[in-house]
Amino acid sequence: LAKTTQPISMDSYEGQEVNITCSHNNIATNDYITWYQQFPSQGPRFIIQGYKTKVTNEVASLFIPADRKSSTLSLPRVSLSDTAVYYCLVGDGYGGSQGNLIFGKGTKLSVKP
Amino acid sequence: DAGVTQSPTHLIKTRGQQVTLRCSPKSGHDTVSWYQQALGQGPQFIFQYYEEEERQRGNFPDRFSGHQFPNYSSELNVNALLLGDSALYLCASSLAGWGTDNQPQHFGDGTRLSIL
Repeated sequence: LAKTTQPISMDSYEGQEVNITCSHNNIATNDYITWYQQFPSQGPRFIIQGYKTKVTNEVASLFIPADRKSSTLSLPRVSLSDTAVYYCLVGDGYGGSQGNLIFGKGTKLSVKP
Repeated sequence: DAGVTQSPTHLIKTRGQQVTLRCSPKSGHDTVSWYQQALGQGPQFIFQYYEEEERQRGNFPDRFSGHQFPNYSSELNVNALLLGDSALYLCASSLAGWGTDNQPQHFGDGTRLSIL
């Protein structure tokens, strides 16, 4: 199972765009890339998922280059409430349920006023 | 549409005791996974249940066991509790859509287990 590497922490200010890059050099052909957000004492919340190129939803964009060895989560115009830990995961589509999710330590994003 | 619900939210036990944690998956989901999250760490996969059987298992001892019921709800049992079992236990559900697009897992807010 592919492991991921992402920065331990990042700081930003309200209204800025934040880009968090994740490395996954050993990603397998059938692996998807998924990002979760976690607030203290809560479960991780699904943000976005992609396989290749670019995916966009109402809260974020996910950029995946052609070699898929990295991905970048882009959060437009962050607010104080975006302060959280962000996890990048890769996993296979076993049964369509992504099987065993391997979480790293995540990136702790701190948004300042 | 109810999401993943877990009970209880908090629990205090002593070493050597046994504990049962419960999870109801998101409506329409048929697969349940359990994770352990120690303070300051990312969640670690314990095991996954589908069609009432354990489908995958992480690196956890046999003291950790589980069950899935016909209504897709699930229980996590931990025997002979150790101090190191103190953690947030998370349940995640998903839909095992064979041959369909990958379905992300949806998490509950967990059970905080403290071992004294």
